[in-house]
Amino acid sequence: ETGVTQSPTHLIKTRGQQVTLRCSSQSGHNTVSWYQQALGQGPQFIFQYYREEENGRGNFPPRFSGLQFPNYSSELNVNALELDDSALYLCASSRFGASGTDTQYFGPGTRLTVL
Amino acid sequence: DAKTTQPTSMDCAEGRAANLPCNHSTISGNEYVYWYRQIHSQGPQYIIHGLKNNETNEMASLIITEDRKSSTLILPHATLRDTAVYYCIVSLYNQGGKLIFGQGTELSVKP
Repeated sequence: ETGVTQSPTHLIKTRGQQVTLRCSSQSGHNTVSWYQQALGQGPQFIFQYYREEENGRGNFPPRFSGLQFPNYSSELNVNALELDDSALYLCASSRFGASGTDTQYFGPGTRLTVL
Repeated sequence: DAKTTQPTSMDCAEGRAANLPCNHSTISGNEYVYWYRQIHSQGPQYIIHGLKNNETNEMASLIITEDRKSSTLILPHATLRDTAVYYCIVSLYNQGGKLIFGQGTELSVKP
């Protein structure tokens, strides 16, 4: 069974640029959630994707957007990067079924640095 | 805001049991208690979850009080590799996947 994978591992961008992060969900999972973790803080929920649509969103501005593909993989896009966007970006996959969302399993994360 | 309160840090001797407490006094009847841990700069690792009964798996045991207002994660024989930040999270099973993390407990296992 393949776990959750994310790419790239590390990324350096400059303020104002755009970035795309990628996530492949665990086998058998159909839901992907994205989290942002600033240094020294716990992860914060950005949004979740299920059936290629956004299914819940945290307190993040519209310049944070996402996609989910038919194979359940997902992208997180951030436009107009700001210095405060520097963080570890985590993807978690789970299975959403008739009884709700099962346990979330996290990938290793992408470390984004904005200069 | 997180619905849980945990000590900021704890120490444990290698080979001894590590008991990590968590208060969740406002937990509702259909919310589960989840535990994750995060080793420095890695993704959080799922440990265990439960509703009201005590649970055990190959990693840990979860003890939930009868009133469900608090719980304890037990690592029966802590090793140096168990040094990590441990997060206790209260979550609806069917709320759509939004996990609200607090600050967690930084557990240091010492030789």
